[in-house]
Amino acid sequence: EAQVTQNPRYLITVTGKKLTVTCSQNMNHEYMSWYRQDPGLGLRQIYYSMNVEVTDKGDVPEGYKVSRKEKRNFPLILESPSPNQTSLYFCASSLRGIVGELFFGEGSRLTVL
Amino acid sequence: KNEVEQSPQNLTAQEGEFITINCSYSVGISALHWLQQHPGGGIVSLFMLSSGKKKHGRLIATINIQEKHSSLHITASHPRDSAVYICAVGDVGDMRFGAGTRLTVKP
Repeated sequence: EAQVTQNPRYLITVTGKKLTVTCSQNMNHEYMSWYRQDPGLGLRQIYYSMNVEVTDKGDVPEGYKVSRKEKRNFPLILESPSPNQTSLYFCASSLRGIVGELFFGEGSRLTVL
Repeated sequence: KNEVEQSPQNLTAQEGEFITINCSYSVGISALHWLQQHPGGGIVSLFMLSSGKKKHGRLIATINIQEKHSSLHITASHPRDSAVYICAVGDVGDMRFGAGTRLTVKP
């Protein structure tokens, strides 16, 4: 089954404790992207990757890192999480950048205390 | 002013009604997406448009590149169409999102 898988789905952590949210797709898609969704602010793009070893900042990259060492995986790294990074995070992928159909993961709800 | 404006913010309809949600944008784009998010949070892509019009079942999406405007139409609305509909625009890999339209369809 074609899918985008995020882990963990739910996480409560404390300020400063490094964490990684994984995103994996099984569709051989070149494009992958991370978003956060907050009440009143909607969806905002954090980082995106057009292909392996190619990453670019989105609208709100501060406090996040990403890597794209292989096509299927695009982890989101919070090296020193802060409470303002409490949010619902989505990963998405597409065969052909944003001119292709987007497939979203189920979301990861992160709480930073 | 937001780069992507959706209207209306909230919409309540009776089952069977024809529904239109609008999206206007102010930036150059290579594609526009309509997304659906049900309560519980999952996001599904409905359409990707770069020109013209697309139709899937009861859903129709149009885009006017010159006027920087897109519409999503739902014909014969049904309570299962109740969701938040989000317009997203982008160029290359960058994406910007509208605030969403919350649609409630009553039986």
